[in-house]
Amino acid sequence: SQQGEEDPQALSIQEGENATMNCSYKTSINNLQWYRQNSGRGLVHQILIRSNEREKHSGRLRVTLDTSKKSSSLLITASRAADTASYFCAHTRHPGGYQKVTFGIGTKLQVIP
Amino acid sequence: EAGVAQSPRYKIIEKRQSVAFWCNPISGHATLYWYQQILGQGPKLLIQFQNNGVVDDSQLPKDRFSAERLKGVDSTLKIQPAKLEDSAVYLCASSSIRDGLTYGYTFGSGTRLTVV
Repeated sequence: SQQGEEDPQALSIQEGENATMNCSYKTSINNLQWYRQNSGRGLVHQILIRSNEREKHSGRLRVTLDTSKKSSSLLITASRAADTASYFCAHTRHPGGYQKVTFGIGTKLQVIP
Repeated sequence: EAGVAQSPRYKIIEKRQSVAFWCNPISGHATLYWYQQILGQGPKLLIQFQNNGVVDDSQLPKDRFSAERLKGVDSTLKIQPAKLEDSAVYLCASSSIRDGLTYGYTFGSGTRLTVV
C-alpha cells in the first residue's frame, strides 16, 4: 500500500493537554497536509507544509516536517473537547506531471472534558 | 464560495444491485477526485480527473466501478454490481492548480453506501 502511516492510531487526552500525532511516508513529496474528520463528515483541511519548510504554525496547530526521515508531526496545543476527531496526513507528489495525494490511515483523537 | 456537493448522502442497496453517486465540484476547479473510505481507514483514491480526462485510475476496480466527468464539471461514480465489501463512504474532492501548485483542495461530505 502507498498509504502513509500515522501513530498513534488512537489517542485519548484530557482537555488542556497537548496532542501529538506522527505521520510517515515512503516517497519524495511536494508537500504534506493534515486534515481533520469529524465522525460521519467529510475531511477539512487544517494545515499544509511544503517540502522546503521545516515547521509551520496555524493557531493552536504546529506541524513539523523532516524530509530526511520522511516524517511529519502535528501538535495541537491546549486541546479542547471540540478537537475530538480523526486526523489524517496526506502527502502530495508529482508522478508524471499531475498532483497525486495519498492519505494515511489516521489518528483518532479523543479529548476528555 | 459554495463547497463540493455530493448526493445522495446515504444509500442502502442489496449486493449485485447498481448504484451511482454524483459530485459537483467547486466552480473553476479543474481537478476532481473520487475516494473510497472504509470505516476506520484513510481515504483511498479511486480515480482522478484533470478537466474531463483521467490522470489516475490505478486503484479503481474497473470490472465493477466506472466514473465519468462530462464537460469537465460534474462527475458520476457508478458501481455495478455492488459487493458487500463496497460498503464505505465515497468522498469527492476538487482542487485547482496554479503554477504547478495545488490550491483549494476541498472535500464534499461524502455518500455513505451500505451494501446488504
